[in-house]
Amino acid sequence: DAGVIQSPRHEVTEMGQEVTLRCKPISGHDYLFWYRQTMMRGLELLIYFNNNVPIDDSGMPEDRFSAKMPNASFSTLKIQPSEPRDSAVYFCASSFGRNTGELFFGEGSRLTVL
Amino acid sequence: TQLLEQSPQFLSIQEGENLTVYCNSSSVFSSLQWYRQEPGEGPVLLVTVVTGGEVKKLKRLTFQFGDARKDSSLHITAAQPGDTGLYLCAGVENSGYALNFGKGTSLLVTP
Repeated sequence: DAGVIQSPRHEVTEMGQEVTLRCKPISGHDYLFWYRQTMMRGLELLIYFNNNVPIDDSGMPEDRFSAKMPNASFSTLKIQPSEPRDSAVYFCASSFGRNTGELFFGEGSRLTVL
Repeated sequence: TQLLEQSPQFLSIQEGENLTVYCNSSSVFSSLQWYRQEPGEGPVLLVTVVTGGEVKKLKRLTFQFGDARKDSSLHITAAQPGDTGLYLCAGVENSGYALNFGKGTSLLVTP
C-alpha cells in the first residue's frame, strides 16, 4: 500500500507569493495532521482533521495559513502571502481510529521562502 | 515553552557503545510514543507506552515509561551505525487530544 503522499517535495519561492502544499493520506485513515519542523522549534502541530472536519487549528501561526480537506483522500495547506520565516519542512501525517494512534508521516515538503 | 523536553540534544558515539536518551515533562501523559526520523524522511513509530512503569524492548532498544507517566527513556545497547537518526518522543496530555513532539535527540553512531 502507498503511504502518505506529499507534494511538492521541495518548493522555493519569493516572499509574498502563495504556496500550496498537498497531501494524500493513507486510504481508510480518518485523522489527518499537518506539522511544521524547524531546527529551532522542532515538530509543531498546525492543524488536524477528523473525518475531513478541522478539529483543532490552534497551532496555525497566522491568518496567512489555511488548510482544507475537501474529501477523505486530499488535503491542502496554503500560505498566502509567504514570508521567509515560513521556511521549514511541512509534514502531513494520517492515522486510523483515534488521534493518539500511530501516525504515518509523508516524506515532507521542504519550503524555502526567499 | 516546550511541553516535552528531550536530552541530550546531540549525541555522537562509536559503534558498540551504549546510550540513554531522555524525554521529560511536568505534564502527565495518557501515552508516550517514540519515533525515529532519518534525513529527508518523515518520522517512523518505534513504540508506544501506555502504563506507568512499563518497559518495552525492541531488539537492542529498551523503552521505559515513568511511574508517574511524566517521563520516558530510550536505552540503546551496542549501538550500530544504522541507529543514526533523530529520536523523537511524542505524547498526548491527559487533558489533550493530539500528539505533541519534543525537539528530539540527534544521534550519530560512527563505525
